[in-house]
Formats: sequence, structure tokens, C-alpha cells
Amino acid sequence: EDKVVQSPLSLVVHEGDTVTLNCSYEVTNFRSLLWYKQEKKAPTFLFMLTSSGIEKKSGRLSSILDKKELFSILNITATQTGDSAIYLCASRAGSKAAGNKLTFGGGTRVLVKP
Amino acid sequence: EPEVTQTPSHQVTQMGQEVILRCVPISNHLYFYWYRQILGQKVEFLVSFYNNEISEKSEIFDDQFSVERPDGSNFTLKIRSTKLEDSAMYFCASSESLRDRNYEQYFGPGTRLTVT
Repeated sequence: EDKVVQSPLSLVVHEGDTVTLNCSYEVTNFRSLLWYKQEKKAPTFLFMLTSSGIEKKSGRLSSILDKKELFSILNITATQTGDSAIYLCASRAGSKAAGNKLTFGGGTRVLVKP
Repeated sequence: EPEVTQTPSHQVTQMGQEVILRCVPISNHLYFYWYRQILGQKVEFLVSFYNNEISEKSEIFDDQFSVERPDGSNFTLKIRSTKLEDSAMYFCASSESLRDRNYEQYFGPGTRLTVT
């Protein structure tokens, strides 16, 4: 059974701090690793990672994948209160014949205090 | 920016009733998905749909569930006889079509289903 585990479960930081979120996975037929931000309802897409060691950046957010050790990290620098959310990690798996389902981790709840 | 839309945003139904949740995927996407999230739990995959047929389904997606693309824009999830444990947020998602390439899945705002 495919498994995605995120840590920590939650953290509280102050504006300006840097946070590092962890995601480990055990997936058959791994295709890619995705990060989403969930504020109130729908998960909104942040990054998709397919290759090891290549950092993806978007503003203050960055992410990297290690396919040998089967984990990914998401970094948020200079945090702002608007970064408060649940951050979800998901693995995409499947063969060409399959539907490419996402298996989600339990999420990390980040609270940024002013 | 194109987005996935879902209706209704909240549905309350009695146990044993049939419900249909509706989704309009992003217009040039050809892969569609349903996920659910029970309150306080992980987002769980239900089913994926491509070329008018189910590509993959989870153990949750039993005979009580069905999906349909009744026209060129809508994608529906039907639960035939709802149970209390079907209460959850149901998310529709869509992605571009090529199965041998990686495309991100975009999620709709969800339908909160409450079964009483």
C-alpha cells in the first residue's frame, strides 16, 4: 500500500521565521511528488517534483526531492501570516495504464503569528 | 485563470438517499478525479476517469458510487444510498491528458456532504 508521511504535524512560528516541512513516501511506480497548500477548502497547487536534486522555487517557497532517500522538503522563508495553512504532500503513482492517483500525507499545519 | 468548479458547495441529505455531486473540470483537461476528505483526516483518492471510462478506483469506491460525464463539460459523482460515514468534503480534480507525462492536478473548492 502506498504511503506518504509528513512531519511535523503542526508548528507555530513568528513572521519572518523560516520553516521546513518534511515528506517521506513509499510508493509503487512513483511518478512525481506534489505539494499543495490548503487554507479553507480546496488544495491549491504549489510544486511538482520529478527529478532528484533539482530545487523548484516560487517566491519565498522552495522544494526539493530526493528519490534515493524517498523524501521531499518544502521550505518557506521570511514567513508571513498569509502562509498560515495546511501544507499537503502527495505522491503520484501509476503505470501508463492506470489513472495516476495521488496519495496524500496527513498534512502539516503551519500557523504564522504576527 | 481557468478553474475547476463544483456544485453544490454544501449538501445535506438523509441516510439512504441518493446524491449527485457535480463538477466542471478545466475545459482542456481530459483526466478527471474524485477525492474525499473526512473531517480531520487525509485526502483520499476515490476514482479517476479518462476517455469516458474509469481508469482506476480505490477500495472506497464500491458499488454505491458511480461517475459519469453526461455531456462535454460536467463530471458527476453519484452515491446511490448514502451512509453516515459518507459525510465528508468531496473534491473534484482535473489534469491534462497525457498519461505518460506528469501534469499537476487542479482541485475544485469541494462539496461538503452531510448525511444525517
